[in-house]
Amino acid sequence: QKEVEQDPGPLSVPEGAIVSLNCTYSNSAFQYFMWYRQYSRKGPELLMYTYSSGNKEDGRFTAQVDKSSKYISLFIRDSQPSDSATYLCAMGRMDSNYQLIWGAGTKLIIKP
Amino acid sequence: NAGVMQNPRHLVRRRGQEARLRCSPMKGHSHVYWYRQLPEEGLKFMVYLQKENIIDESGMPKERFSAEFPKEGPSILRIQQVVRGDSAAYFCASSPPSGKNIQYFGAGTRLSVL
Repeated sequence: QKEVEQDPGPLSVPEGAIVSLNCTYSNSAFQYFMWYRQYSRKGPELLMYTYSSGNKEDGRFTAQVDKSSKYISLFIRDSQPSDSATYLCAMGRMDSNYQLIWGAGTKLIIKP
Repeated sequence: NAGVMQNPRHLVRRRGQEARLRCSPMKGHSHVYWYRQLPEEGLKFMVYLQKENIIDESGMPKERFSAEFPKEGPSILRIQQVVRGDSAAYFCASSPPSGKNIQYFGAGTRLSVL
């Protein structure tokens, strides 16, 4: 079993829809969680960083962490075709301050 | 405010040649990470370096691959005697010297082995 599970998709939704992207993990020691966006043939770009359970909002993006269920989510409101990309989750522990564990990425397609 | 700079962006090599990939971290960052990504696959950690030190190379093949981050100059990922299976995108990331491990990525080098 992988430490971090992420559905590779593709996930195809119409423009304007609310998108929900998710990762589950098995190691309860993870303390901080990140979402990256990667456009085709580009490097990953940091979208959201969260340290604790709960919600964090930034514009149309909301990151949610549920440590009791070992489940994290990224919500995108009013999705745009420009949101079409692969979304990767990553997580780590403060006592291992370099080792990030990555999900495989979910490919998202927003249809105009 | 330059980000992580990688060069070349594209590199074509014939089997048996050497490939050298360069990465200049963000200003003020002293930690460098190298990842490999195959098409439609996730990022695979290769190596973590600080200035003049390899901290973790557990993801790097034991043969033909090496990495360095000298006191001066960029970090170098070196692949000797390349084979077709080395064709991939190689990404470099950097993070600041302390605190949260937020990694910032370069645009990658796409290596094609003929």
